[in-house]
Amino acid sequence: DGGITQSPKYLFRKEGQNVTLSCEQNLNHDAMYWYRQDPGQGLRLIYYSQIVNDFQKGDIAEGYSVSREKKESFPLTVTSAQKNPTAFYLCASSFGGGPEKLFFGSGTQLSVL
Amino acid sequence: SQQGEEDPQALSIQEGENATMNCSYKTSINNLQWYRQNSGRGLVHLILIRSNEREKHSGRLRVTLDTSKKSSSLLITASRAADTASYFCATDIKAAGNKLTFGGGTRVLVKP
Repeated sequence: DGGITQSPKYLFRKEGQNVTLSCEQNLNHDAMYWYRQDPGQGLRLIYYSQIVNDFQKGDIAEGYSVSREKKESFPLTVTSAQKNPTAFYLCASSFGGGPEKLFFGSGTQLSVL
Repeated sequence: SQQGEEDPQALSIQEGENATMNCSYKTSINNLQWYRQNSGRGLVHLILIRSNEREKHSGRLRVTLDTSKKSSSLLITASRAADTASYFCATDIKAAGNKLTFGGGTRVLVKP
């Protein structure tokens, strides 16, 4: 089945630790996105990538980093510089370079120990 | 404040009733999209309406767009308990490049 897979479903971060969230898609989509969702809130864009080896900062990129070495994969690293990382993280993809009809993964809940 | 803001923030209706929610935005858009999110899950795309369109239908969903008022509405007709979810509007802003900006959402509860 085609889709977008996020792992792990739950992740715990210790003080000063970097953690990486995985996002893989087999939809052959060009564009991929990372959003952060806080409880009861909408989504805020962290990073997005329209093609391999290229990505742009979104509205809240500070404390996060990404890579896009393969079309299928767009991992997100939450660094120790992100002081308030507890949130629900959603990865999405879309066909073509534009943000139309995003397909979302099922999310990763990140909490701080 | 966010580009897209939904109203109301929460809505409770009986099964069979219609649910209407609104979205307002601030700047010119290429298109506006509506998504649904069940609790603790990812979002699912519902419908996309382009800036040169005024109304679109998809099953029990009807979306309108008024670019002069910078607003959109989503109507769910004959609601079902399974429609219980949060609904988000998202705007593809002309000046912002290839990214989608989401509103805060409307939480809809459909009581059986």
